[in-house]
Amino acid sequence: DAGVTQSPTHLIKTRGQQVTLRCSPKSGHDTVSWYQQALGQGPQFIFQYYEEEERQRGNFPDRFSGHQFPNYSSELNVNALLLGDSALYLCASSLGQLSAYEQYFGPGTRLTVT
Amino acid sequence: AQSVTQLGSHVSVSEGALVLLRCNYSSSVPPYLFWYVQYPNQGLQLLLKYTSAATLVKGINGFEAEFKKSETSFHLTKPSAHMSDAAEYFCAVSDSGNTGKLIFGQGTTLQVKP
Repeated sequence: DAGVTQSPTHLIKTRGQQVTLRCSPKSGHDTVSWYQQALGQGPQFIFQYYEEEERQRGNFPDRFSGHQFPNYSSELNVNALLLGDSALYLCASSLGQLSAYEQYFGPGTRLTVT
Repeated sequence: AQSVTQLGSHVSVSEGALVLLRCNYSSSVPPYLFWYVQYPNQGLQLLLKYTSAATLVKGINGFEAEFKKSETSFHLTKPSAHMSDAAEYFCAVSDSGNTGKLIFGQGTTLQVKP
């Protein structure tokens, strides 16, 4: 059983560009959450998708947007990239929205903005 | 808002010694609490979670944590450190409202010396 997968592994972009990161949840999971982990920091919650809708959102600007598809996979889009967007982006999936459900994390996508 | 404080960004122990990683949370209601481990260039793996059942929670790889409401603490321990335990450890608390949003601490790097 494949766990959470993310693509690409690494990405280098220039300031002002747009980027799309992809996530496939663990089999049977219907909820996907995205986190940003800056170097030397703990992950910060970006948003959560359930039933193809954004259900929860952290303190991130509208430049960060997402989507969930009928097969529960998800995308994270970041527009107008800033140097400060350089980070490891983690996707986590779970059986449902509630906090009691364990979140399984993918290996992340390392985004570098130059 | 919920917050998590991990005391000590770096902890160094000798192989075979006790591991103690400290975590304090702020919460007005009993939260869900988690410890995750992150190995280099990997995602996060759940070590254990507290969901208001037993206050002493046993996890994988010999780790355990004790929930102390009076101290708002959830410290992680392991009786005997192995070299393979060297990694980054994150304490996380669920946001109020049982929404699935996790708030992470800054992390503690555990170094295990031979």
